[in-house]
Amino acid sequence: QQQVKQSPQSLIVQKGGISIINCAYENTAFDYFPWYQQFPGKGPALLIAIRPDVSEKKEGRFTISFNKSAKQFSLHIMDSQPGDSATYFCAATNYAGGTSYGKLTFGQGTILTVHP
Amino acid sequence: DGGITQSPKYLFRKEGQNVTLSCEQNLNHDAMYWYRQDPGQGLRLIYYSQIVNDFQKGDIAEGYSVSREKKESFPLTVTSAQKNPTAFYLCASSIGAVTEAFFGQGTRLTVV
Repeated sequence: QQQVKQSPQSLIVQKGGISIINCAYENTAFDYFPWYQQFPGKGPALLIAIRPDVSEKKEGRFTISFNKSAKQFSLHIMDSQPGDSATYFCAATNYAGGTSYGKLTFGQGTILTVHP
Repeated sequence: DGGITQSPKYLFRKEGQNVTLSCEQNLNHDAMYWYRQDPGQGLRLIYYSQIVNDFQKGDIAEGYSVSREKKESFPLTVTSAQKNPTAFYLCASSIGAVTEAFFGQGTRLTVV
């Protein structure tokens, strides 16, 4: 059962443009939503994360927008650069339920290509 | 340098053979995890361990086994019972329940 749905599967953006990746979740017990960035042949690395008590979190060119009522969250990459070309995964977990931040449910991933 | 080391990077095995993937961390993290990555399916949790000598099944534990005899090590055995073992396997760790997970570089297993 896929509890986190991610779209689009792939995304092509021109340098300087805005990249937007969307995720929707089903489990209302989820309370921690990280985004991971993965380069080919490497392990994922945490990019930015948000909790449902805020609607937006910004770190540099990366912003997470969160809509609790719609059970959706999205990643916006401003001024996209060729170096941002990677696979991006959204994820979720129920930390307050006694689990840990590492026990994650992942979306299917989005392959982002930024053309120079 | 602190980090998570997975070895080997590439592994080839014949169908029907068990194979063990290594994961070692020197971050002094309590919790460790194994994920499987397949194209178009994201990462799926196989097993996780929050303390030494204790581990829990994840979403796709069938055909896999683990041990956690030392804090630094969390090896994963892919048994012959795993129907589709060819995949990219990722090990991760975290400081118990209070920090995000850090991932290793992965082992690509190909069964022929």
